[in-house]
Parts: sequence; C-alpha cells; structure tokens
Amino acid sequence: RKEVEQDPGPFNVPEGATVAFNCTYSNSASQSFFWYRQDCRKEPKLLMSVYSSGNEDGRFTAQLNRASQYISLLIRDSKLSDSATYLCAVNRMDSSYKLIFGSGTRLLVRP
Amino acid sequence: NAGVTQTPKFQVLKTGQSMTLQCAQDMNHNSMYWYRQDPGMGLRLIYYSASEGTTDKGEVPNGYNVSRLNKREFSLRLESAAPSQTSVYFCATTTGDRVTGELFFGEGSRLTVL
Repeated sequence: RKEVEQDPGPFNVPEGATVAFNCTYSNSASQSFFWYRQDCRKEPKLLMSVYSSGNEDGRFTAQLNRASQYISLLIRDSKLSDSATYLCAVNRMDSSYKLIFGSGTRLLVRP
Repeated sequence: NAGVTQTPKFQVLKTGQSMTLQCAQDMNHNSMYWYRQDPGMGLRLIYYSASEGTTDKGEVPNGYNVSRLNKREFSLRLESAAPSQTSVYFCATTTGDRVTGELFFGEGSRLTVL
C-alpha cells in the first residue's frame, strides 16, 4: 500500500462548481500536510499547507482529519484556470525533512 | 531570480550510457532533493541532501548516485541508464521549515532511455 494515496480522477466539473478531493495517508507519525498544484508539463508549486484546525485561502479550503488519516481540498466556484493536477504531500516527524507525495488528482474545469 | 535551475531540460540516452543531471539553487537553502515523476506514480524521492556534505537515500535510489558539490549544487548521476529510468526528474530545495513545507522545484529534466 502506498504511504499517500489519491484518487487519480479526472474530476470533470463545470465552471462555478464546487469540487473536493481527499488524500489518505497510512503513517500515523505524519505531522505536516500540504497541497501542491501541478500544471501540465510544469513543476509542482505549493498551493497551501494544511493545519490541524483547517484553513482557507480564497476559494480553497483544506482540512485535516487525523482520526481517519486523510486530508481534503475543497475548491469553490471553480475557474477554468483551476484545471491542473493536485498533489498532496506529507512529512513525518520520524525522518529527516522530506515530503512524500501522492500520485495526484487531475481536475478538468469545463466552460 | 533563477531559483532552482536544472540542466539539461531534455535528454535521450541509449541503454548503458551514463549521464549527470545538474541542479543549482540560488536561494541559500540547506536541503536539496531529487525526485522522479512517472505517470500514475506521482513524485518519488530518489536521494536528498539535508546539508552540504551529506546525502541520503530516498524511496527509489537504485541505479543512481548523487553529489552535493557545495551548498548550491546537487547532481544526479545515472551510471548505466536503463529504459526503466525514462522519467521526468525534478530537483527541489527547501529551508526545511516543517510548518510552511514549501519545496521549490526546478522546471524538470525529461529523460528518455532507448
């Protein structure tokens, strides 16, 4: 079983829709959680960190559920420009600082 | 304001050939990483260097060697390339701040091994 798992999608949604992705992690020692965005044939870039209390950045909301060991990303009022692959990443306290990535969820926003 | 620079951006090799991917950062970060990305597999960590002079294996180190030449540069070497090493390779760097967690990636190096 992969340490970090995501539904590969694609999620195909109309503009203005709300869409949510989940990411599960298997190692309970995981301490830090992040969402990255990757455009086609580009490098990943940090979208947002995921805090225990949840956090919001404009149309994006990230949540952490430690009991069930998953993080989520909610995108409201989807824009065409949101089309990308969303990667979750986790960092463990029991290792040097290194991020383990999921395989990504692809989002397609259609007009 | 280059950030993280990788060279070459594209390379085609024949099985058995060797090559080195170069990575340089001007962000004064201590930690540097090499990831590979394959369809359906996500980013997998090959090697990392927490500081100048140290290197450690990641998830998929077999077939690769690395050198942390100085604080700025971290190279990845394929001694005898195999078709299974066809991939997109990303170099990344970070301050190591666990709170922000931001890795800064290079633009990637696309390697094809025939």
